Amino acid sequence: GAGVSQSPSNKVTEKGKDVELRCDPISGHTALYWYRQSLGQGLEFLIYFQGNSAPDKSGLPSDRFSAERTGGSVSTLTIQRTQQEDSAVYLCASSFFETQYFGPGTRLLVL
Amino acid sequence: KNEVEQSPQNLTAQEGEFITINCSYSVGISALHWLQQHPGGGIVSLFMLSSGKKKHGRLIATINIQEKHSSLHITASHPRDSAVYICAAHYGGSQGNLIFGKGTKLSVKP
Repeated sequence: GAGVSQSPSNKVTEKGKDVELRCDPISGHTALYWYRQSLGQGLEFLIYFQGNSAPDKSGLPSDRFSAERTGGSVSTLTIQRTQQEDSAVYLCASSFFETQYFGPGTRLLVL
Repeated sequence: KNEVEQSPQNLTAQEGEFITINCSYSVGISALHWLQQHPGGGIVSLFMLSSGKKKHGRLIATINIQEKHSSLHITASHPRDSAVYICAAHYGGSQGNLIFGKGTKLSVKP
């Protein structure tokens, strides 16, 4: 498919476990974004990658959160020692110019 | 504190009505996005603008830099326009760090 894909679509984990969320951006898109949307809350910026530049990590809520983007394509968001407040939908988006194309999200539930 | 405020929070309209959703922000921004989130959760980027006006089909977005205000208009609204509309502002130099409004939930009745 030509869109942004994310996996898994749903993830249930126990408090304290680590999780990895994956994003496959649209081929050729140089920019990649991670956001999260907590239940009943608005969207929140997490991290932004642009080409080979250093990522903008200013939105990461704690040092338990990290992300990498390998080869300028696929990105992985890692949450270590998950907490219940990490439960949210994690959204990835990619862009080449202005328009951001969003993936379907990963719904994370921490029990 | 950089903030983005949207109004109204909820909006119900009859099919065919002209709809306006407002967004205001606190300080200077480099660009503003309008997004549409469908009931199933999928998000679509509608517009990105830094000045003036953009139009796509029945959707029009305007921004007034001096007044720190943007509007999204929908002409001849249709039930399929029912969604949450979100504005988001780029503050600072990074093109990544978006501050999001809480969204306007639009319901268009047939």
